Order: sequence, then C-alpha cells, then structure tokens
Amino acid sequence: DVKVTQSSRYLVKRTGEKVFLECVQDMDHENMFWYRQDPGLGLRLIYFSYDVKMKEKGDIPEGYSVSREKKERFSLILESASTNQTSMYLCASWGRAAEAFFGQGTRLTVV
Amino acid sequence: ILNVEQSPQSLHVQEGDSTNFTCSFPSSNFYALHWYRWETAKSPEALFVMTLNGDEKKKGRISATLNTKEGYSYLYIKGSQPEDSATYLCAFIRNTGNQFYFGTGTSLTVIP
Repeated sequence: DVKVTQSSRYLVKRTGEKVFLECVQDMDHENMFWYRQDPGLGLRLIYFSYDVKMKEKGDIPEGYSVSREKKERFSLILESASTNQTSMYLCASWGRAAEAFFGQGTRLTVV
Repeated sequence: ILNVEQSPQSLHVQEGDSTNFTCSFPSSNFYALHWYRWETAKSPEALFVMTLNGDEKKKGRISATLNTKEGYSYLYIKGSQPEDSATYLCAFIRNTGNQFYFGTGTSLTVIP
C-alpha cells in the first residue's frame, strides 16, 4: 500500500541541467513537503505546499523552485543543478490529523 | 529558523540494554510532536503522534512521553534488539502553520 511515491530512487545529472523531482501521494493530503538530508545536518526543509498552487519557502529554498498544479503531485525543480545540490531528497505528505508519510527518497548526484 | 534538538547524536548499545533519547523543542505555540524511525534504505515511518501535555504512548518495547510546558519529549526503548537499529527523528509542529521542524536525529546501533 504505497502512499507517497517519488519518481526516481537514484539520479545522476550534469552541472547546469534542469532537474525535476516528482512526488505523488494518494491520501488526499493538503500539505506536501520537500526536504534534503545531508550527513550531520538532519532533514532540512526546502519548500512546502499547503494547497494546490500554494507554496512557501522553507529553510533552504535557494536554487530550487516547486510546482503544485494538482493536489496529489508536488514537484521540486532544480533550475540549474550544481554539485552542492548533491544530496538525498525526501518528499512527505501530511493531512494534519495524524502522522506524515514519506517517499522512499531520491539520491541525486550532480557531476 | 526554529530549533529542535535531539540528543544524543548517536548511540551504541548492547542487545538487551534499555536506552532513551531526548527531543527539545520550543514550549510556545505547540500543536504536535511526532517521533519517526528511519531505517537505512527505507522511508521514515511514524512511531508516535503526541498532542497533549503529559501524553504517554507505547508501542511494544518503545514508549514516549511529552512535556509541552518545558518543551521536551523522551523516547524509551526497553531491551534493545538489533532490529531497533535506526535513526530516530522527532518533529515539532506549531499551531501557527503547517511546517514540520525536524531534529537532526539520534542514530541508534544495537550490537548483538
């Protein structure tokens, strides 16, 4: 019973490429989040969305943008990938009444 | 940036030992405190959702307590087993928005 699905488990991209990370949830949740996880730094919030077409910056939005055209899909966009964006990216979905659900993560390497 | 702290950062225990971790968060504007377990190569999974001061929750050998007035939560594991090895994350949610504020996690290794 997969609830949050990220489009790729592993990605390798070149510096300067535009990169799309997709996240889909099947729980009709209003809130969706994108985090990155780096050793020693924990989960850091990049962007979140609390409704269709609504978004808010998290702690580290620089170099990223997001899109939420449909309730079930939240996309993270790296406009011009750089090597310091090499990281594990985690999507989460939350309906406020209970726990959050996470995708399996995308390990992105920018070369 | 809102500060959520977890301690210790990492822990190695022998199988059968009991252990506990701490999550500290702001004592104002509290909505909920979540605990998640994150095993290697898997997604984080919820252990507890805690909303009331004084909450105590239990799932098998794992339990958690919550003190919203002083801003801390404890997670206890009784009789640790190798399968408990994981990173344990807490997340603080304010009542003034929809953001999760995660701590940096406690990495637990249980040695057989």
